[in-house]
Amino acid sequence: EPEVTQTPSHQVTQMGQEVILRCVPISNHLYFYWYRQILGQKVEFLVSFYNNEISEKSEIFDDQFSVERPDGSNFTLKIRSTKLEDSAMYFCASSEFGRNTEAFFGQGTRLTVV
Amino acid sequence: AQSVTQPDIHITVSEGASLELRCNYSYGATPYLFWYVQSPGQGLQLLLKYFSGDTLVQGIKGFEAEFKRSQSSFNLRKPSVHWSDAAEYFCAVVGNNNDMRFGAGTRLTVKP
Repeated sequence: EPEVTQTPSHQVTQMGQEVILRCVPISNHLYFYWYRQILGQKVEFLVSFYNNEISEKSEIFDDQFSVERPDGSNFTLKIRSTKLEDSAMYFCASSEFGRNTEAFFGQGTRLTVV
Repeated sequence: AQSVTQPDIHITVSEGASLELRCNYSYGATPYLFWYVQSPGQGLQLLLKYFSGDTLVQGIKGFEAEFKRSQSSFNLRKPSVHWSDAAEYFCAVVGNNNDMRFGAGTRLTVKP
């Protein structure tokens, strides 16, 4: 069964460093998403991406965040200068046609900023 | 703006008992509605979804949910809970745009 794959499963970084979280969406999907979940809190929408551009972003997704689809398979989230409060589980998701199809989630990357 | 409310942060039920998890949404039209389950340390797994048609939808693992437009609700139910159902449950809504918004989640504890 096709699945969304995220790497690494756990990333530890020092405050102020840049991190790149990687995702391989399901191959025939057209819409891609990043979500984050701070420990013990709800899942929060960050950004959606379609046709090689951001289609929606939340207030959380500020200038320190960026997304990219560098090739035909990967979808990345870059955090330019990490802060302690960026520590969270980051989930990538993809869907075939957008809002009227379900989003499939990866297992997540746990980011710890020290 | 669309929003999702799950009023119950934590629910405890006995194994074999019935379960209902509440979800209310705020949106101008009928959104697309989802329930996801998250086991500890795991990602999100889709239980069921509602787009249109029959307002009672069946999902995996014996779960069902009923869409009630008049109450703006999409409550999740299961007639008999199993110990393996202990997890965090998230209701989600997708409106006119393509971003899925989640409720705060309800943590389910199952007593033996």
